[in-house]
Amino acid sequence: TQLLEQSPQFLSIQEGENLTVYCNSSSVFSSLQWYRQEPGEGPVLLVTVVTGGEVKKLKRLTFQFGDARKDSSLHITAAQPGDTGLYLCPPGDQFYFGTGTSLTVIP
Amino acid sequence: EAGVAQSPRYKIIEKRQSVAFWCNPISGHATLYWYQQILGQGPKLLIQFQNNGVVDDSQLPKDRFSAERLKGVDSTLKIQPAKLEDSAVYLCASSPDQGAKAFFGQGTRLTVV
Repeated sequence: TQLLEQSPQFLSIQEGENLTVYCNSSSVFSSLQWYRQEPGEGPVLLVTVVTGGEVKKLKRLTFQFGDARKDSSLHITAAQPGDTGLYLCPPGDQFYFGTGTSLTVIP
Repeated sequence: EAGVAQSPRYKIIEKRQSVAFWCNPISGHATLYWYQQILGQGPKLLIQFQNNGVVDDSQLPKDRFSAERLKGVDSTLKIQPAKLEDSAVYLCASSPDQGAKAFFGQGTRLTVV
């Protein structure tokens, strides 16, 4: 089992602010997935990153896969209350989740 | 497209009682996962099925937890007897195949008192 460490574990920001959350490991992964879990719901896949250095954008969310494929980051621009949730980054071929980053966006 | 269905949505039982959860995956999905999510933590994989065979059950507490997927479609997860620390949300997910995008159900919230 190759777990990734996510940071920060908790983040509370005001609406409109920018933020970045990180997913780090000493292991190399063929791919990484980012999921968001809203309160009371199951996780939903946001994106899969496959190529080292890859950047993917999903509206105000920007995902980057490290060049060495050991880490990834998620940057949110102008956060909105709808971004509130638990962000998880399991390896793409293994569905083991770490503790995630719990984000709260305050209106 | 219908999603992953789980029931019941909520369950409250006393410690030492038994409980069962049911999952109906998306039609045609070969892979099915059961997770335990304790409040404030990420989901912990309990068991992974590929069709009706077990791929990974290394984190399943086999002294009290059991799961089956007899016909390779629906699955049930059972706890017998329940302990206070089993209070959690139990999530079921399915995917077309191993490593493919997984779709999660809403989960069953279990409270053991």
